[in-house]
Amino acid sequence: EDQVTQSPEALRLQEGESSSLNCSYTVSGLRGLFWYRQDPGKGPEFLFTLYSAGEEKEKERLKATLTKKESFLHITAPKPEDSATYLCAVQAQLNAGGTSYGKLTFGQGTILTVHP
Amino acid sequence: KAGVTQTPRYLIKTRGQQVTLSCSPISGHRSVSWYQQTPGQGLQFLFEYFSETQRNKGNFPGRFSGRQFSNSRSEMNVSTLELGDSALYLCASSLGWGLGPRNEQFFGPGTRLTVL
Repeated sequence: EDQVTQSPEALRLQEGESSSLNCSYTVSGLRGLFWYRQDPGKGPEFLFTLYSAGEEKEKERLKATLTKKESFLHITAPKPEDSATYLCAVQAQLNAGGTSYGKLTFGQGTILTVHP
Repeated sequence: KAGVTQTPRYLIKTRGQQVTLSCSPISGHRSVSWYQQTPGQGLQFLFEYFSETQRNKGNFPGRFSGRQFSNSRSEMNVSTLELGDSALYLCASSLGWGLGPRNEQFFGPGTRLTVL
């Protein structure tokens, strides 16, 4: 069974204080690892998809990296508007019948609070 | 380009009733997945539809069902509501095949269901 564990559960930073969020996963063949941001009362907002170990993607103050066992979301010089819950999810390889395109397995998320 | 839309945004029902939620995917997207989000269990996969066919189903009782129409719009139905069904129900759409951008799932704002 696919599993995703995110740490820490909550992270409080001062504005400008860089840090990293961790996502450890076990999956029977990784097809993609997804990062989302979710604000209270809203649906998750897509950030990145990573497909193979060694891959990196950047967007503004965020940088996501991927190894064979985990992914990191690095936040550089965060601002208060970066406060949100960050979710990590994995998508497994297509099943033998090749018919399952979607199914994301999510971690519990990291609640990030950035103080001014 | 319009995002994923879900209606209604909020619902209040009583135990034993049934409910139907609707999801309109991004134009051109053919795959729709549904997720349930609760504080205790996080985001859990319900089912996935592609070309009007259910491709995958999560570990939920048969009271949860869904369908997809020829225009890719999807509905999910919950019969005989229980208190534990109170949750945010999220719909996600994607192009639906292959790797790369076609694999990215975009979420709607969700329907907040409260069962009294």
